[in-house]
Amino acid sequence: RKEVEQDPGPFNVPEGATVAFNCTYSNSASQSFFWYRQDCRKEPKLLMSVYSSGNEDGRFTAQLNRASQYISLLIRDSKLSDSATYLCVVSGDSSYKLIFGSGTRLLVRP
Amino acid sequence: DTAVSQTPKYLVTQMGNDKSIKCEQNLGHDTMYWYKQDSKKFLKIMFSYNNKELIINETVPNRFSPKSPDKAHLNLHINSLELGDSAVYFCASSQSRGGYRAEAFFGQGTRLTVV
Repeated sequence: RKEVEQDPGPFNVPEGATVAFNCTYSNSASQSFFWYRQDCRKEPKLLMSVYSSGNEDGRFTAQLNRASQYISLLIRDSKLSDSATYLCVVSGDSSYKLIFGSGTRLLVRP
Repeated sequence: DTAVSQTPKYLVTQMGNDKSIKCEQNLGHDTMYWYKQDSKKFLKIMFSYNNKELIINETVPNRFSPKSPDKAHLNLHINSLELGDSAVYFCASSQSRGGYRAEAFFGQGTRLTVV
């Protein structure tokens, strides 16, 4: 089983749609969780950290379910500029290790 | 000011050559990483250094030798380059936070092509 698993997509949605991505992780001892965004031929950039209580940043909402070892990202009112690959990131069995999922590609069409 | 900078941005070289990639961070972080992103876009950790000490080596061939002269710098030297080494190499840094790991910041990547 992969340490961090994501649906690769692509998710093809119209502008204004709401879209949700899921991610599962295998290590129950993981303590840190993030969503990153990566544009084509660019470096990954932090979108948001994921906290146990869930957190929201504008149109983006992240949730963590430790019991099911599951993280989600919800994007409301999708914009064309949201088109990118979204990477789920989890700390590993060592806090010195950040493990990336393979990413979920989002395409927002006009 | 660029927080994590790596050079060069592009590197094209022949099989068998030796090359180095340099990375510097000005964020004061205690941990630095090398990641490899292959043609399938999967980001895989190669090495992790904390305060200049190697913490993680993810079964990378020993042709790859990282070096951290101080906690702001982490370089990657690759000997006897092979076609399969072609990829984008990302340097990153983050800060330990009482057993938790804060978010990582990435350099712009080095696109290595071995011909």
